[in-house]
Amino acid sequence: QQPVQSPQAVILREGEDAVINCSSSKALYSVHWYRQKHGEAPVFLMILLKGGEQKGHEKISASFNEKKQQSSLYLTASQLSYSGTYFCGTQAGSYQLTFGKGTKLSVIP
Amino acid sequence: DAGITQSPRYKITETGRQVTLMCHQTWSHSYMFWYRQDLGHGLRLIYYSAAADITDKGEVPDGYVVSRSKTENFPLTLESATRSQTSVYFCASSGPGQAAIGELFFGEGSRLTVL
Repeated sequence: QQPVQSPQAVILREGEDAVINCSSSKALYSVHWYRQKHGEAPVFLMILLKGGEQKGHEKISASFNEKKQQSSLYLTASQLSYSGTYFCGTQAGSYQLTFGKGTKLSVIP
Repeated sequence: DAGITQSPRYKITETGRQVTLMCHQTWSHSYMFWYRQDLGHGLRLIYYSAAADITDKGEVPDGYVVSRSKTENFPLTLESATRSQTSVYFCASSGPGQAAIGELFFGEGSRLTVL
C-alpha cells in the first residue's frame, strides 16, 4: 500500500520554507526521500531509520516519527534548484520500497 | 562506464507483442528493482531481486516477467504488451544492506508506448 504524501503540490517563492509529509498505515523500518526533476530519474536525498533519527542534507532535513509512522521533509530557504517532485519511499519489513504519489514543488523568483 | 544503464530508452510496440527492457549495473549491487511511473500514481514497484536467481513480486507484477541469472543484469519482459503498460519504466539498484534498504540508484528510464 502506497504511503500518503501531502500536499500534492506547493508553490514557493525563493527563500521560503516548506514541509512535505508522508504517512503510512504500516509499521515502518525506514523512510527514503527522493527528488525528481522533469524528464530525469529520481535522485536520493536521505534515509531515515526506525528510531526517529533526524537527518540533514544541506538545507534539507527530515524527521521520522516511528510511533505515528510519519515522516516530514523540511526545505528551508528554498532555492530555484529545489523545484521538482519529491517522493517518499517506505520500507515495512520486507525488502520492498514503496513510493508515494509525490509532491510537486515549484520555486519561483 | 560505471553505473546503471537501461535499454532501450524509447520503445514503441503494438498490443500483443513481447518486449524486453534491459537493465545493467556495474556496481555488483545485490538488490535490483523495477518501477513503473505513471501520472497520478508515482512510482510503483513491479518486481525486485535480492540476488542472482532470487526475485519477488512488488505491487503491480501482473503482465510482467523478470529474471536474474547474473548479478549485474535484471531484464523485465512484457510477454504480451497491453496499452495499459504504456509507461516510463525505471530500474534501480541498491548495495548490500542489513535490514534497511540502502540508497537506490536509478537508471535513466525506458519510455514504452504500446499502440
